[in-house]
Order: sequence, then C-alpha cells, then structure tokens
Amino acid sequence: EIVLTQSPGTLSLSPGERATLSCRASESVKSSYLAWYQQKPGQAPRVLIYGASSRATGIPDRFSGSGSGTDFTLTISRLEPEDFAVYCCQQYGSSPITFGQGTRLEIK
Amino acid sequence: QLQLQESGPGLVKPSETLSLTCTVSSGSISSSTYYWGWIRQPPGKGLEWIGYIYYSGSTYYNPSLKSRVTISVDTSKNQFSLKLSSVTAADTAVYYCARHHTRPFGVAQIDPWGQGTLVTVSS
Repeated sequence: EIVLTQSPGTLSLSPGERATLSCRASESVKSSYLAWYQQKPGQAPRVLIYGASSRATGIPDRFSGSGSGTDFTLTISRLEPEDFAVYCCQQYGSSPITFGQGTRLEIK
Repeated sequence: QLQLQESGPGLVKPSETLSLTCTVSSGSISSSTYYWGWIRQPPGKGLEWIGYIYYSGSTYYNPSLKSRVTISVDTSKNQFSLKLSSVTAADTAVYYCARHHTRPFGVAQIDPWGQGTLVTVSS
C-alpha cells in the first residue's frame, strides 16, 4: 500500500501568514489522485482539495493544492483564525485508500 | 444537503462483533454516482479506511481488515451497515460513515462524512 508521510508534524504560524504543508508518497500517486482534508477537534474531516489541485465546493480560494508523482503541497495563502486545525492528505489512486498521519496547524 | 448519521452501540466486548448503521438523508443511496463507506480514527491517531459498498451490493475492503469486515446495504431504508468481528482494544476508534465520489474505474474523494461515533472495545 502507498504510505503518505506529512511534514511538518506541527506548524506554528500567526493569522495572516502563509502556510505550506507537505505530503510525500512512498510511490507515485496515479493520475494525481490525491485529496486534502481539514479536521477540527470533535468534528469529521471535510474535503478541501481533490485531484491534487481542484478545490471542493465552497472552499475559499486561499486554499490551493499542487504537486504530482510523490510530492504534494497544500498552501493556505493567508491564514484566517478558523484555519487552525489538523490537515491530512489521502490518496485514492491505488488500493487500499490511505491517509497521511496529519499536520497540526496551530496559532503561534 | 446530503447528511449521514452513524448509529450503534458505543461499547463492545472483546471478541464480539461491532455493528454500526449509517442512515443517509436528503439523498438517495441508490445513486449510480457514488459509493458508501466506512473510515475509522483511533483516539489521537490518523484515519484508516475500512471499505465501501455500491448500491448494487458490490464491496471492496481494506486488505488489513478484510477477514473481519462485512459492509452491507439496505436501499429500502437508505442505509448501509458495518460489521467488524472478533474485536480487540485496537479496534477502539471513532467510526465515520461517508460518501465516496467516483473517478474512472474507481473511487475518489470522500465527502460528506457523518459526525462519527466512538466505539470502545472493553470488557
């Protein structure tokens, strides 16, 4: 199965700053079939990005995804207070579906 | 707006079978566009995909759990269910049901998710 490794484990930033989160796959993700999710405490994950770079419905344009092959990035251009959460990546190009362990984005 | 809601016991004894049901509202589980599945998250840990089912009944399971998992669907009730047998403490987790989008020859992103239900395995 494809192992997804996210870095950093925790990212401490201030509102208004730019956040860059990384997701590295143990082998190439077919057709960039990679999604990003946001999860807040006590809540279910919600999809932000799919197909590596397509924003899901209703997601603000400060969220963007990029990458291909084994290296993918989620960028939040200017952090809003509600953006501080855990972010995880998911690949769905190969079975079984796998998730990264998550990056915690905390307020500095 | 489509909603999913998990239901079932919050406490299961070791070696017994965990059973959960997901009720889909404001949308049909018989849609040909989606699959319906389960994902779990042990306390303080990452997400683990369990498996999914199509409205016709075809299933796909995570090989790591395949020997213990059964997912079924009841289109008349707009529900699908999860059974996980021979549970141990390692199966303690928040269990989510969710809709899987599709892509050519497979599934895609997962959205929306149910709110999740904590199942604890303990005697």
